[in-house]
Amino acid sequence: ELKVEQNPLFLSMQEGKNYTIYCNYSTTSDRLYWYRQDPGKSLESLFVLLSNGAVKQEGRLMASLDTKARLSTLHITAAVHDLSATYFCAVDLLISGTYKYIFGTGTRLKVLA
Amino acid sequence: NAGVMQNPRHLVRRRGQEARLRCSPMKGHSHVYWYRQLPEEGLKFMVYLQKENIIDESGMPKERFSAEFPKEGPSILRIQQVVRGDSAAYFCASSPQPNQPQHFGDGTRLSIL
Repeated sequence: ELKVEQNPLFLSMQEGKNYTIYCNYSTTSDRLYWYRQDPGKSLESLFVLLSNGAVKQEGRLMASLDTKARLSTLHITAAVHDLSATYFCAVDLLISGTYKYIFGTGTRLKVLA
Repeated sequence: NAGVMQNPRHLVRRRGQEARLRCSPMKGHSHVYWYRQLPEEGLKFMVYLQKENIIDESGMPKERFSAEFPKEGPSILRIQQVVRGDSAAYFCASSPQPNQPQHFGDGTRLSIL
């Protein structure tokens, strides 16, 4: 069964702290996406990781991809309240001749002032 | 350059009624994908369409749900005889080619009374 699992599911952290969200997937894929979703809103694209060893950074967020381990990480540095949201990873899989996104379960992040 | 446009943003229906959700892809995109997000969950793939063709409907419930993407006009996700369990956010995404990143709309939040 195809699975994309994130942990933790819930994360409450103090401002200024660092933390990492993990995304494991169960089958081969060369592309992984990270999205942010605020309550009642759509998905905001954060990162597109296209190859093994890819690392991308934007502000306080940094994402990496290890295709051999089937693992991506989203690292948060010196968290601020504005980062509070739900973060999803998604794996782009070729299944039966078509590409489709398989989303992770999401990590709900709350940054406390 | 307008993004993926979905309407309505919010839709309320009573049990047994029909719901029609519309999605206009980004200009130049002919590949459309529908996803469903239940409360507190990630997005689940429903169907992938290319102009006038359903390419992959493996995520669609077998009854009451249908989708189309006519030659002219938006893609339509249709739910007949809605039930309470259909309450969810429905997101549409589009891409210029099937192996390129998908761009998401703001979603339609369907509530069933």
